[in-house]
Amino acid sequence: DSGVTQTPKHLITATGQRVTLRCSPRSGDLSVYWYQQSLDQGLQFLIQYYNGEERAKGNILERFSAQQFPDLHSELNLSSLELGDSALYFCASSVGGGQNTGELFFGEGSRLTVL
Amino acid sequence: GQQLNQSPQSMFIQEGEDVSMNCTSSSIFNTWLWYKQDPGEGPVLLIALYKAGELTSNGRLTAQFGITRKDSFLNISASIPSDVGIYFCAGPNHAGNNRKLIWGLGTSLAVNP
Repeated sequence: DSGVTQTPKHLITATGQRVTLRCSPRSGDLSVYWYQQSLDQGLQFLIQYYNGEERAKGNILERFSAQQFPDLHSELNLSSLELGDSALYFCASSVGGGQNTGELFFGEGSRLTVL
Repeated sequence: GQQLNQSPQSMFIQEGEDVSMNCTSSSIFNTWLWYKQDPGEGPVLLIALYKAGELTSNGRLTAQFGITRKDSFLNISASIPSDVGIYFCAGPNHAGNNRKLIWGLGTSLAVNP
């Protein structure tokens, strides 16, 4: 158990819909990262928040947005969903904000299926 | 930009065999990390390497930080069925102020009992 909690574990929805994925980081961790993993693909970095502020941005689509709340939990919002958005979405957390050491703790992921 | 190339892409071995996989880059990394992703789970950090030439072990796993700082390898000795999964190398991007973790595409390992 990494200490990172993600909900929901599974989500099935239709094209054009909007979903919200939630992540609670490990106790004491200030940074939250969101990754997308499609079938047979590696981990695509989406976005990082540190103590409520956006810290780094990856290949995140404009239809996607995220935020980190004062209690440090984070939400990833995916809108106008397309079939190609079907993937595993991972949240990870770390103590610091710079990814200097790269030691991230991952949740178990939220599997999104868009039909 | 910085990229990490992992090889082989996949491996299918017999239980008890030793495994070797590597990760290379055209640019220098100051840290190398090896993660394992079990089926249906999130990646878990196995070994972190911070110094060129460093050789670090974690049980049956051994990883080395290449002396050129452009490569790293991971060895697994006497493989067992629970070694199945995807092994990722990763390293922090030090280009500019936008620090991100760069990931390889992974080596998928299957172990035949």
